[in-house]
Amino acid sequence: DAGITQSPRHKVTETGTPVTLRCHQTENHRYMYWYRQDPGHGLRLIHYSYGVKDTDKGEVSDGYSVSRSKTEDFLLTLESATSSQTSVYFCAISALGQGDGYTFGSGTRLTVV
Amino acid sequence: SQKIEQNSEALNIQEGKTATLTCNYTNYSPAYLQWYRQDPGRGPVFLLLIRENEKEKRKERLKVTFDTTLKQSLFHITASQPADSATYLCALDAFTGGGNKLTFGTGTQLKVEL
Repeated sequence: DAGITQSPRHKVTETGTPVTLRCHQTENHRYMYWYRQDPGHGLRLIHYSYGVKDTDKGEVSDGYSVSRSKTEDFLLTLESATSSQTSVYFCAISALGQGDGYTFGSGTRLTVV
Repeated sequence: SQKIEQNSEALNIQEGKTATLTCNYTNYSPAYLQWYRQDPGRGPVFLLLIRENEKEKRKERLKVTFDTTLKQSLFHITASQPADSATYLCALDAFTGGGNKLTFGTGTQLKVEL
């Protein structure tokens, strides 16, 4: 998607290993979000950022951490991957954070075996 | 508890007809309501946003209504085409402690048949 890229697109990892997913934007937007999408649950917010070094938890933050050292990059880390974290992860960006449509990345499909 | 409900059953309609999708919510006071389209294997794409003080919003063949009394939004696609086949997500933009964030429904799959 224009202005936002996620890497990797696919990853298979073993239980107990740390995993980092990257979201990179070229829009200079202030707000960045990490969601996970699972059948029957829809998109659920994991963490979000409202500026460099400013982050907060979403509804499903346990087992995840984030970092934002630059405006353009927002990293999601699974500290010790579990099978319940097998999911599709989407990053999103927003200029205003409120009253503004989000732009989503193409997603990362993560499988924890 | 807070809930956003969209019809989990797929909606099948004939080409040329109007598709109407429903989003109901409870225990939210959204300032805005948004609709997204999602195709298989892709991220959601923003379609329309409507504010709490607006009753209706239109964009080309799309129309959204927002009734804060009924706590419901309707999403209409007129003159539907097979290319409109996708999953449509409703999202509420509301203060949920710590700031405004988007909370999504689980989506309704639309299939437009020839």
